[in-house]
Amino acid sequence: AQKITQTQPGMFVQEKEAVTLDCTYDTSDQSYGLFWYKQPSSGEMIFLIYQGSYDEQNATEGRYSLNFQKARKSANLVISASQLGDSAMYFCAMMSGVVWGGKLIFGQGTELSVKP
Amino acid sequence: NAGVTQTPKFQVLKTGQSMTLQCAQDMNHEYMSWYRQDPGMGLRLIHYSVGAGITDQGEVPNGYNVSRSTTEDFPLRLLSAAPSQTSVYFCASNRGKAGPAEAFFGQGTRLTVV
Repeated sequence: AQKITQTQPGMFVQEKEAVTLDCTYDTSDQSYGLFWYKQPSSGEMIFLIYQGSYDEQNATEGRYSLNFQKARKSANLVISASQLGDSAMYFCAMMSGVVWGGKLIFGQGTELSVKP
Repeated sequence: NAGVTQTPKFQVLKTGQSMTLQCAQDMNHEYMSWYRQDPGMGLRLIHYSVGAGITDQGEVPNGYNVSRSTTEDFPLRLLSAAPSQTSVYFCASNRGKAGPAEAFFGQGTRLTVV
């Protein structure tokens, strides 16, 4: 069965420090994609970063990087130089299979609070 | 570019009523999907579509119907609303096989069933 696990319900980080949000996944498919989304208190879902299962290098998008460890089935999100605006819910998600079909499996999320 | 548009943003229904949540995308995306988000949980897939005329069930399909007659539109129908369907509903689209994999989400519909 496909599953995403986020074990940190809530995290605190000091402004300007780096923070790592954990994500482990489970799938028997060889082809899959891992995604991180941000959901601020306003409720919208904002795409942050993507890593494909065949990508050899870790994905980076500005202050976001994805620490992809395939053997451990982990896809942790690293946010460098945290800002107050980073306070939000963060969801790890996965698509997998021969045809991904746009079907996302989500974890339960991690609520990040950035302290000034 | 509007992206993914959901209507309405808020809705209150009485138990047993039916309604349709609208979703439209203007990005010519092949794939579209519906999710629900309950407190303390991530999003769960209700139904999805890989193209016009093709739909399939997700993790929590009971009580919902979908159809996809055009590439742009993917409405979600609640057949007979129940309090357990109180949730925030998100529609999403992504390009499919031929492009970037990330899904683009609508703003969400907050539905309350009383």
